[in-house]
Amino acid sequence: QSALTQPASVSGSPGQSITISCTGTSSDIGAFNFVSWYQHHPGKAPKLMIYDVTNRPSGVSDRFSGSKSGNTASLTISGLQTEDEADYYCSSYTSSSTYVFGTGTKVTVL
Amino acid sequence: EVQLVESGGGLVKPGGSLRLSCAASGFSFSTHTMNWVRQAPGMGLEWVSSISSGSGYIYYADSVKGRFTISRDNAKNSLYLQMNSLRAEDTAVYHCARDLRTSGSYASDYWGQGTLVTVSS
Repeated sequence: QSALTQPASVSGSPGQSITISCTGTSSDIGAFNFVSWYQHHPGKAPKLMIYDVTNRPSGVSDRFSGSKSGNTASLTISGLQTEDEADYYCSSYTSSSTYVFGTGTKVTVL
Repeated sequence: EVQLVESGGGLVKPGGSLRLSCAASGFSFSTHTMNWVRQAPGMGLEWVSSISSGSGYIYYADSVKGRFTISRDNAKNSLYLQMNSLRAEDTAVYHCARDLRTSGSYASDYWGQGTLVTVSS
């Protein structure tokens, strides 16, 4: 199972919106609505930001939103804030009953 | 409060073995599928293994199949990962994570901070 493809880095100024793409295949993203997104600050535990493509866990800001079209999922962060600077990973459940993660995207707030 | 605390990491020689543990608290451990996910230095997250609540369903990444064994003790609220025939490429921080499958979703909603495994001679 190959990793999902994400851009290595995305940047934006405070207040702007950014979108991170995550491209997979018909065996993972395209097969199920089970795409999730994680925020990871190095040295800390990853944090679930979006699950089932569009759902936000309790306590996650509504500035974070998810979507999917075909084999590609996206995470949008609106009203970018300095604390959003982190690594972001997408993940999908697969037709092999496993999970696959994305390559990761470093978000920089300029 | 949900807490997941990993232990058992350390330095091991190639070909050696190590057993990781994850102590869970703050939720009904016996009703949740659990996962191990790792992150090698400078690399991204990699799913390693999953085990269902009653241990009836177990899955592994191809990269560890035949070398790693996931298990759990619901009476002790603990998750384990037995790692044998370790290779340099197994060097990583290993996280345990709670799966949302009980709720009909597929994601990991709580994670531990991880334990570092270093495979080096």
